[in-house]
Amino acid sequence: AQSVTQPDIHITVSEGASLELRCNYSYGATPYLFWYVQSPGQGLQLLLKYFSGDTLVQGIKGFEAEFKRSQSSFNLRKPSVHWSDAAEYFCAVGSGGATNKLIFGTGTLLAVQP
Amino acid sequence: GAGVSQSPSNKVTEKGKDVELRCDPISGHTALYWYRQSLGQGLEFLIYFQGNSAPDKSGLPSDRFSAERTGGSVSTLTIQRTQQEDSAVYLCASSLVPGGTEAFFGQGTRLTVV
Repeated sequence: AQSVTQPDIHITVSEGASLELRCNYSYGATPYLFWYVQSPGQGLQLLLKYFSGDTLVQGIKGFEAEFKRSQSSFNLRKPSVHWSDAAEYFCAVGSGGATNKLIFGTGTLLAVQP
Repeated sequence: GAGVSQSPSNKVTEKGKDVELRCDPISGHTALYWYRQSLGQGLEFLIYFQGNSAPDKSGLPSDRFSAERTGGSVSTLTIQRTQQEDSAVYLCASSLVPGGTEAFFGQGTRLTVV
């Protein structure tokens, strides 16, 4: 069965520092992979997605992620974090098939120090 | 509409009462999903609609939960005889086509059962 693991529950970084959020997935075929961000009291906003092709994908707000099949990973990165990036980040894999429902990781809560 | 709209944004109900949660998907989106976000369980899939039919109800936690969709548009999630463990944020998402690879989320309904 498909699954997603986000090993870091909570991360704190200083404003201006670089960021990497980890995501590992379990999926039999080439996965559809997503990163979503959720600010307090808000729904989920799509940051970026990977379906095929170039393994380095660019998203909104200066985020990027790299798909590494050999490591079953899809880590999210940003070179310089802004205070407004403080939020919860979810990695997800599409289940495939006609439904293609999302299977989410448990999320990583990002705090940004001034 | 411009985005996925959910109502109410907050709902407090007494244990044992029935509640209805509404989702207005993006106009023209044929696929609609309900997810639940709770502290103990994270983000979990509930049900998927393709048009007005629900080919995947595998995530509904009990027979107290039901959902319908009419006119290929608005969906209602109904919880009967609410229990305290039903307290969660209920998120709706829609995508353009069935099995579509990108889902857009509403801001959710926060349900509190007291």
